[in-house]
Amino acid sequence: GENVEQHPSTLSVQEGDSAVIKCTYSDSASNYFPWYKQELGKGPQLIIDIRSNVGEKKDQRIAVTLNKTAKHFSLHITETQPEDSAVYFCAASKSDMNYGGSQGNLIFGKGTKLSVKP
Amino acid sequence: NAGVMQNPRHLVRRRGQEARLRCSPMKGHSHVYWYRQLPEEGLKFMVYLQKENIIDESGMPKERFSAEFPKEGPSILRIQQVVRGDSAAYFCASSSDRGRKVRYFGPGTRLTVT
Repeated sequence: GENVEQHPSTLSVQEGDSAVIKCTYSDSASNYFPWYKQELGKGPQLIIDIRSNVGEKKDQRIAVTLNKTAKHFSLHITETQPEDSAVYFCAASKSDMNYGGSQGNLIFGKGTKLSVKP
Repeated sequence: NAGVMQNPRHLVRRRGQEARLRCSPMKGHSHVYWYRQLPEEGLKFMVYLQKENIIDESGMPKERFSAEFPKEGPSILRIQQVVRGDSAAYFCASSSDRGRKVRYFGPGTRLTVT
């Protein structure tokens, strides 16, 4: 089955710097890759996602890149702010006939705890 | 438009008791997914339900755990005869028919078994 590895497990940056979190996946059939932000005591919040027919997607200070050949995808946060501090999770899924051809299970990485120091 | 709602937010049970966790999906969503999160771990898929049907329960332990999503009312994850190892945060997510890829998560229920 799919396996998602995420690095680093912790990341500390200075306010204003960039942060990069990397994930690799094992199943070449995976075609949907969301990123979630989880603040302490809260549920994961979708911040950006990318599908396999796209190599890069950007939304303000957040961007995600996908390299299908190497089976890895990355989250880039520019001009970090203290409120960006949280745990970030990557995930991968693929179309599943058991799900009517729609996206199947989301397989999550173990998370990256990002700390942005003012 | 209210998001995914879960209750209770915190639940304490003694070993051997039953735990019932409730999830109300976002308005208009008919797909519900349950996940379990252990400390310092990612989320592990447990079960996927549509109204009145279990679609995928491949991540759910075969014993003591069950889930339902009735025609009316919230989805319920039920854990019978809880053990200390069941202590975790349980999250549900929902999605709509049209946008089934995107899962929106609730705030979670933190279960503590004493």
